[in-house]
Amino acid sequence: AQRVTQPEKLLSVFKGAPVELKCNYSYSGSPELFWYVQYSRQRLQLLLRHISRESIKGFTADLNKGETSFHLKKPFAQEEDSAMYYCALSECWETSGSRLTFGEGTQLTVNP
Amino acid sequence: EPEVTQTPSHQVTQMGQEVILRCVPISNHLYFYWYRQILGQKVEFLVSFYNNEISEKSEIFDDQFSVERPDGSNFTLKIRSTKLEDSAMYFCASSTVSESDQPQHFGDGTRLSIL
Repeated sequence: AQRVTQPEKLLSVFKGAPVELKCNYSYSGSPELFWYVQYSRQRLQLLLRHISRESIKGFTADLNKGETSFHLKKPFAQEEDSAMYYCALSECWETSGSRLTFGEGTQLTVNP
Repeated sequence: EPEVTQTPSHQVTQMGQEVILRCVPISNHLYFYWYRQILGQKVEFLVSFYNNEISEKSEIFDDQFSVERPDGSNFTLKIRSTKLEDSAMYFCASSTVSESDQPQHFGDGTRLSIL
C-alpha cells in the first residue's frame, strides 16, 4: 500500500533562511507527487506537482526515486510562507478517478 | 478562479443523528472526492465518485456513509447514524480528469462535531 511520511510535524526558521520540508513515500508503481499548502483558516491549495517541474512562490521539489523522496525547498523563506504543508501521492485508477494519500503535514513557521 | 464550495462550514449534531454535508464542485469537473481529517491526524481519503457512481472507497467508508449527486451541481456526503469518532473536518474535492497528475481542487471543509 502507498504511504507518505513527513518526519517533521513542526519546522521553524528565520526569514531569509533556507527551508527544506521532507517527504518520503512508499509506492510500488510510478508515483505522482504533489505538495499542498494550507494557510491559516484557508483551504488546501495545490502548491506544486512533480510532473510540471515548476517553481511556485520560490518553492521547488525534486522527485528522487532512488531515495523515494520529494522534499520541498526554498532558498530564502518569507514570513508569508508560514503555513501547513502536506505532501501527497496520487494513485490513479483507469478512468475512474484517483486517490490522494497525504503525509501527516509539516507546520512551517517563518520568524521575522 | 472557480472554487469548490462546501456547506455548512460547521455542523454540530447529536450522536445517532443523520447528517448531510454538501459540496458544489467546480462546474466542468467530472471526478468528485471526499476526504476527512480528524483533529491532529492526517487527511484521509474516503470515497471517489464518477459518472454517478462510487469508483473507489476506503475502509473508513462503511455502510454508515453514502454519497449522492442529486442534481447537476451538488455532491453530498451522508452519515446515517453519527458516532463520536465521526467528528472531523470533511473536505470535498474535484478534478477534471482521472489522470493521477491532475490536481484535485479542495473546498474549505466542513467541521463536523458530534456531541
